[in-house]
Amino acid sequence: AQKITQTQPGMFVQEKEAVTLDCTYDTSDQSYGLFWYKQPSSGEMIFLIYQGSYDEQNATEGRYSLNFQKARKSANLVISASQLGDSAMYFCAMRESNDYKLSFGAGTTVTVRA
Amino acid sequence: SQTIHQWPATLVQPVGSPLSLECTVEGTSNPNLYWYRQAAGRGLQLLFYSVGIGQISSEVPQNLSASRPQDRQFILSSKKLLLSDSGFYLCASTGTRETEAFFGQGTRLTVV
Repeated sequence: AQKITQTQPGMFVQEKEAVTLDCTYDTSDQSYGLFWYKQPSSGEMIFLIYQGSYDEQNATEGRYSLNFQKARKSANLVISASQLGDSAMYFCAMRESNDYKLSFGAGTTVTVRA
Repeated sequence: SQTIHQWPATLVQPVGSPLSLECTVEGTSNPNLYWYRQAAGRGLQLLFYSVGIGQISSEVPQNLSASRPQDRQFILSSKKLLLSDSGFYLCASTGTRETEAFFGQGTRLTVV
């Protein structure tokens, strides 16, 4: 069964606006970690932000913030003040405490328009 | 922080030829190591992961194999490549902190 679901294959956002990328996950573990990565056209995977299941506050890193709703099992990424350089594919990933696997969603392509 | 070295960056190989992709990690010890494959415009498919020397877990039955001869070395191999083995291969490593997971630059493999 799919553990990470990203339902938005592609999104367009206007420069300087905020965009929210959806991510839902499936786990029966109480302890797990959630990651977001950015993959530009070059192919490299750039780590953006991490949220632990026991973290009480939503993670933030610069213009990136994670809207963590544990009861809904969602970990949406919010990019504020979008820039042209934010155009890329974005992946949500999860690692459960009792499993070493790092599982990824299908990704969301973000295109920032000037 | 750690650095993942992965080479080559691009590779074109004929069908039926062998494959060896190497990944080495600097800046950490005893990492969990992963091989992923990504088809064009698609998500990452976990192929293998390793929690220690000589310990390999396979996620998808396929034409590929992996080995971990040293703590910070992870090798992806094939005896005979298929056209379907084409893709972008990424090596990843988790750090000493659970909040970290780093990737190499990737190898773009084209089997012709």
